[in-house]
Amino acid sequence: DVKVTQSSRYLVKRTGEKVFLECVQDMDHENMFWYRQDPGLGLRLIYFSYDVKMKEKGDIPEGYSVSREKKERFSLILESASTNQTSMYLCASTSHGYEQYFGPGTRLTVT
Amino acid sequence: GDSVTQMEGPVTLSEEAFLTINCTYTATGYPSLFWYVQYPGEGLQLLLKATKADDKGSNKGFEATYRKETTSFHLEKGSVQVSDSAVYFCALGSGAGNMLTFGGGTRLMVKP
Repeated sequence: DVKVTQSSRYLVKRTGEKVFLECVQDMDHENMFWYRQDPGLGLRLIYFSYDVKMKEKGDIPEGYSVSREKKERFSLILESASTNQTSMYLCASTSHGYEQYFGPGTRLTVT
Repeated sequence: GDSVTQMEGPVTLSEEAFLTINCTYTATGYPSLFWYVQYPGEGLQLLLKATKADDKGSNKGFEATYRKETTSFHLEKGSVQVSDSAVYFCALGSGAGNMLTFGGGTRLMVKP
């Protein structure tokens, strides 16, 4: 079974802090994605990556950056956390097809 | 661009009732279609998929048929259980980039 893990299930940070969300997949997938999920807005793509050191902006990249130094790991970085970044963050990966495998999510609260 | 439209929820049913969640799509080419389920506090799990017209995806008693003529992929289950309470997302994959386009999600609540 494909396994996608995220470093924290729940996280509370203060405004202005730098926040790192980690995602690791164990199936040697090339493609990895970061989404945020908010009530009434569904899933919105923040960033994705096709390969190591490759990254592409999604629909809402402002206020975020990403890092992919190793194939199995894709990190989402909030450079200076703000209260409007309070959300559920979901990581996903896929190989050559469209079927994405999701992690359990990180619920981030910024106070 | 590609888009997916789902019926808005919440959908509230009694146990053993018949479920239909409507999903229609707009896409160029021949997309693959998916239903994902999200249980409370969890990530999304693939429920079923179909990759070409007239294919029927099925899993855990849920079914959906890829209808090209009506551009639809409605999710059905003959008898829902309380444990089916979750949010259901319809999605399509099309074109380059292994990207999925998601619908807004439909919350299902099943009462005993």
